[in-house]
Amino acid sequence: QVQLHQWGAGLLKPSETLSLTCGLYGGSFSGYYWSWIRQPPGKGLEWIGEINRSGSTNYNPSLESRVTISGDTSRNQFSLRLTSVTVADTAVYYCARRGAAGTGLWGQGTLVTVSS
Amino acid sequence: DIQMTQSPSSLSASVGDRVTITCRASQSISSYLNWYQQKPGKAPNLLIYGASTLHSGVPSRFSGSGSGTDFTLTISSLQPEDFATYYCQQTYSSRPITFGQGTRLEIK
Repeated sequence: QVQLHQWGAGLLKPSETLSLTCGLYGGSFSGYYWSWIRQPPGKGLEWIGEINRSGSTNYNPSLESRVTISGDTSRNQFSLRLTSVTVADTAVYYCARRGAAGTGLWGQGTLVTVSS
Repeated sequence: DIQMTQSPSSLSASVGDRVTITCRASQSISSYLNWYQQKPGKAPNLLIYGASTLHSGVPSRFSGSGSGTDFTLTISSLQPEDFATYYCQQTYSSRPITFGQGTRLEIK
């Protein structure tokens, strides 16, 4: 069974860097985009960006200056880095697999809280 | 950005009802439209991709239609497990990919 499992720090102070990693288990990196999506408490979904197997990335222009998504195909992992976080970055962060048939595989989500 | 607008934002219905949720794109997105269901504390689940294709394992009471700018998600006969929040998503443009604001479906 193909699964995504994500991990990373859940509590940050303003101006720190958010760092999350997502591991793919039981599947292949090829043929998909590997995405990060976030959801502030009680609000809707926001797409952060994605990377494919060749390392090509797409980012949300609203976050692009602070976001880096990288991949490690040898470990079947991809990572999110978001710099200079503020309270507004508090959210549940999801990793996910996007293909031509939609985003059908999601990680379990990580609540990241930014607080002084 | 392509703006996705869902209506209604919330909806009360009863078990057995037929329910329709609408999603409108700010520009044509062909059929690059997906629907998701999300329950509290859980990741979203893919229901429909390509505007009208049912994802594997999704009950046939769910259906999607539309192309261009106007899309609908229909649940033919509501079941207790269908009470959740529903989101549409466009993947026509990845600069950026955008979601609708969500439709909360509640029990009447």
